[in-house]
Amino acid sequence: GENVEQHPSTLSVQEGDSAVIKCTYSDSASNYFPWYKQELGKRPQLIIDIRSNVGEKKDQRIAVTLNKTAKHFSLHITETQPEDSAVYFCAASWAYGGATNKLIFGTGTLLAVQP
Amino acid sequence: DVKVTQSSRYLVKRTGEKVFLECVQDMDHENMFWYRQDPGLGLRLIYFSYDVKMKEKGDIPEGYSVSREKKERFSLILESASTNQTSMYLCASSFRGRGTGELFFGEGSRLTVL
Repeated sequence: GENVEQHPSTLSVQEGDSAVIKCTYSDSASNYFPWYKQELGKRPQLIIDIRSNVGEKKDQRIAVTLNKTAKHFSLHITETQPEDSAVYFCAASWAYGGATNKLIFGTGTLLAVQP
Repeated sequence: DVKVTQSSRYLVKRTGEKVFLECVQDMDHENMFWYRQDPGLGLRLIYFSYDVKMKEKGDIPEGYSVSREKKERFSLILESASTNQTSMYLCASSFRGRGTGELFFGEGSRLTVL
């Protein structure tokens, strides 16, 4: 089955700096890679996702890159702000025609943005 | 707004008790999932369901069962609770075959087994 590894487990940056979180996956059939953000005491929420036919996707200050050959994908946050402080989870699954098979999550990264 | 509601935010049970965690969604989602969240271990899939009366095991199904009698409701059952089942349990739902595949999570049920 799919296995997703996520690094680092904790990340501390100064406000305004960039943050990068990396994940690797094991199942070459996986084709859907979302990122979820979980603020303290709240539910995880989708912030960005990418499908395997795309190498990069950007949404304002966040971007995700995918290297299918190496089976890894990364989340990039630029110009970090205190409200970016949260736990970030990567995930992988095989999805066909919009349906989503089971999502397998990484172990999470606690991002702390220091003012 | 999609709403995924978990019946209990906090529960305290004793070892050996039977525990029911209920989850209801109001968006006509076909898929429903139960995850367990533990520090350093991320979100681990316990069971999921693609349709009414249908269930499939996730990565850690041992000690758990599920029930999906109606499309909007997905229940997680701990037949005989044990201390190692103390955890945060998250329910989620999504469309199948349409939409983006985004998972919508409930607020979680924190279970303590004494």
